[in-house]
Amino acid sequence: SQTIHQWPATLVQPVGSPLSLECTVEGTSNPNLYWYRQAAGRGLQLLFYSVGIGQISSEVPQNLSASRPQDRQFILSSKKLLLSDSGFYLCAWSSQNDQPQHFGDGTRLSIL
Amino acid sequence: SQQGEEDPQALSIQEGENATMNCSYKTSINNLQWYRQNSGRGLVHLILIRSNEREKHSGRLRVTLDTSKKSSSLLITASRAADTASYFCATYNNNDMRFGAGTRLTVKP
Repeated sequence: SQTIHQWPATLVQPVGSPLSLECTVEGTSNPNLYWYRQAAGRGLQLLFYSVGIGQISSEVPQNLSASRPQDRQFILSSKKLLLSDSGFYLCAWSSQNDQPQHFGDGTRLSIL
Repeated sequence: SQQGEEDPQALSIQEGENATMNCSYKTSINNLQWYRQNSGRGLVHLILIRSNEREKHSGRLRVTLDTSKKSSSLLITASRAADTASYFCATYNNNDMRFGAGTRLTVKP
């Protein structure tokens, strides 16, 4: 069966520090991969998605970036975090664009 | 930007009652999906309904879709305290999936 791992579960970072969140998927090949951010009590904002290695589409211009160095690995990064980057970050995968997405348990990021 | 809008934003019921949540959207869709999120966790897919379908069931869940009204509803029958969660609709159209802001359901024991 397929599983998705996302870490760390919580992270507290100072303003201006770098960020690296990692997401890996097991049990499937060539998945579509997604990074979302969720503000408290709100819906999901799509940040990046990828349909293959090295292929990244950005939905919202910001100081975050994403990379897909391997088929089942998706990384969210920042060189310098802002206070507004605080939130709950979720990684997800799907077999195709119109199919259900399967989510990791998220990373709660707090910027101080 | 969000496509679907859930209504109500929050719903509180007693265990054993039915819970109905609604989702309205603005453009045409290929399918509509419902997800559940427990506090502090990721979303879990519940049901997918295609644009040419009108109703689907899964256990205690019943989803309806009215494309003429651009709306969908999720009915949870005989609710349990464990159903307490946020429920989101997501609309899919032409390689674009958009999530609503969710309905927060509280089921009191």
